Amino acid sequence: DADVTQTPRNRITKTGKRIMLECSQTKGHDRMYWYRQDPGLGLRLIYYSFDVKDINKGEISDGYSVSRQAQAKFSLSLESAIPNQTALYFCATSDRSGGSYNEQFFGPGTRLTVL
Amino acid sequence: KNEVEQSPQNLTAQEGEFITINCSYSVGISALHWLQQHPGGGIVSLFMLSSGKKKHGRLIATINIQEKHSSLHITASHPRDSAVYICAAGNTDKLIFGTGTRLQVFP
Repeated sequence: DADVTQTPRNRITKTGKRIMLECSQTKGHDRMYWYRQDPGLGLRLIYYSFDVKDINKGEISDGYSVSRQAQAKFSLSLESAIPNQTALYFCATSDRSGGSYNEQFFGPGTRLTVL
Repeated sequence: KNEVEQSPQNLTAQEGEFITINCSYSVGISALHWLQQHPGGGIVSLFMLSSGKKKHGRLIATINIQEKHSSLHITASHPRDSAVYICAAGNTDKLIFGTGTRLQVFP
């Protein structure tokens, strides 16, 4: 089984709908991240969490919210989806051992289309 | 100007060729990451380095901290190396990504 899973893998929705993307990990990592990827642009950070009680905004958090339900689960919500949120969304995890910045492990991605 | 820039954006090679992808960054880093994104979209980490050189199979990553530059080399390239290669600057608690280099290796 994959260490970092995302559901759904593909989703088509309409403008104005509320959408939740879910991420689960079995790696036991404290840190979890949500990114979006658009053609021609690098991955951009939406939100990140260093533990269950620590949530931080990334560079493009407007229009998104997150919930860290447990160490292993980190969900991303689009409260009212709009077409320019059409993108590929990735969840990632990393370990904080040694206090240093560590390798990130990515989920398979969720392709979201907002019509 | 992006904080992490990669070149070239696109690269085509014949099987067996030596490949070099470059990454320049303008931020302070704790580590420089190289990642590979497969045609299906999945992303895997190849290297994380803060100095010198690392090698894994046919892949070699180098970094020059003073010049804020890193290179990813692929020796004896193969069609299965076709992917997007992404450089990312690790800065305290976040990664800043380049836009990627799309590599196609033809038989």
